[in-house]
Amino acid sequence: NAGVTQTPKFRILKIGQSMTLQCTQDMNHNYMYWYRQDPGMGLKLIYYSVGAGITDKGEVPNGYNVSRSTTEDFPLRLELAAPSQTSVYFCASIPGQGVGKNIQYFGAGTRLSVL
Amino acid sequence: DQQVKQNSPSLSVQEGRISILNCDYTNSMFDYFLWYKKYPAEGPTFLISISSIKDKNEDGRFTVFLNKSAKHLSLHIVPSQPGDSAVYFCAARRSGGSNYKLTFGKGTLLTVNP
Repeated sequence: NAGVTQTPKFRILKIGQSMTLQCTQDMNHNYMYWYRQDPGMGLKLIYYSVGAGITDKGEVPNGYNVSRSTTEDFPLRLELAAPSQTSVYFCASIPGQGVGKNIQYFGAGTRLSVL
Repeated sequence: DQQVKQNSPSLSVQEGRISILNCDYTNSMFDYFLWYKKYPAEGPTFLISISSIKDKNEDGRFTVFLNKSAKHLSLHIVPSQPGDSAVYFCAARRSGGSNYKLTFGKGTLLTVNP
């Protein structure tokens, strides 16, 4: 059971470049989330989705975009990368129903450096 | 404003002793609380949770206590083991929401010394 899979694990970008962080879950969860974690800080919500075709902003959405065309995939797009986007990015999903409906399951993270 | 606070960045305990990790919150609309554990280079993993209608939840060596009047929860690990060394995040969910968003604290690094 793969759970939540994030690719790539590491990436170095130059300022102004763009990239897409991939996130796939195989648990048929409707709810998916993107977080960033900066050193010594908690997880900050970037964007989230409550189902295919529905996305909404979190606490820190500036500089990012998302799409949710399928239940399984929730890619995060960085346009015009900036050094402030250097961080570790986590994707998570949640059942939203049944036992354990509140428990978010996380991917292993993508470590991004913008130089 | 930080709605979930973990005021101790780090904690060091001896193997076999009790570890107590603390978490305070300010939003009285939070009704569900979770603890996550995170090892380096891995994603957070769920550890234990508690609903606001309870004051204690136990799972093996892990117990979470909730004091609603003080807006305080704590995670007790007894006995502590070296494998428990990790960063522990406290998280809270707001009642009435349909998006299951969580608010996280900054985390506490627990080191269990052999």
